[in-house]
Amino acid sequence: AQSVTQLDSQVPVFEEAPVELRCNYSSSVSVYLFWYVQYPNQGLQLLLKYLSGSTLVKGINGFEAEFNKSQTSFHLRKPSVHISDTAEYFCAVSGVYGNKLVFGAGTILRVKS
Amino acid sequence: DVKVTQSSRYLVKRTGEKVFLECVQDMDHENMFWYRQDPGLGLRLIYFSYDVKMKEKGDIPEGYSVSREKKERFSLILESASTNQTSMYLCASSLGGSGKRNEQFFGPGTRLTVL
Repeated sequence: AQSVTQLDSQVPVFEEAPVELRCNYSSSVSVYLFWYVQYPNQGLQLLLKYLSGSTLVKGINGFEAEFNKSQTSFHLRKPSVHISDTAEYFCAVSGVYGNKLVFGAGTILRVKS
Repeated sequence: DVKVTQSSRYLVKRTGEKVFLECVQDMDHENMFWYRQDPGLGLRLIYFSYDVKMKEKGDIPEGYSVSREKKERFSLILESASTNQTSMYLCASSLGGSGKRNEQFFGPGTRLTVL
């Protein structure tokens, strides 16, 4: 079984500042990792995913994440945030032979002007 | 683009009512999921279906049932709604199989209030 811990429930940041949203996972098997974003009153939208290959994954809207197997982490970063990035972000994991995702509790990113 | 639609964005029901939440996907996906989302708890899986008429309990199935009579449609049923079922309900679908085909596509959600 897998589990996901998102270390920050809320992250406030000023516009144009860099941001990192932290995600740690645990699993007894190899994993695939995902970051989703949820804008207010909407469903979840995929930001990026790690399946294999390069541990640095680039996604939409200028976000990227790095898979670190030794630290069992998959932190999400953006070098310069915009007001429009204000949303809730979810990290998720699945086993490579599994068919379900396990989600973290979410991190609310609040971008201030 | 994959499209997942949910029958209602907002729903208000009374305690004890039978409630149906409908979800339809248009990409011939094998897997469909129902989650509930509550602040601070993330998404919790209620039920999962991997084929027509096939279902599997998730982490919090109590008080819910599901129906999948057609591949594209997955219904969540609250047999007798209670106030503690007030929540946001999200439907998702994925290709099926395992691993790389796990990316899930989500509907817009139904915010259910039980009075």
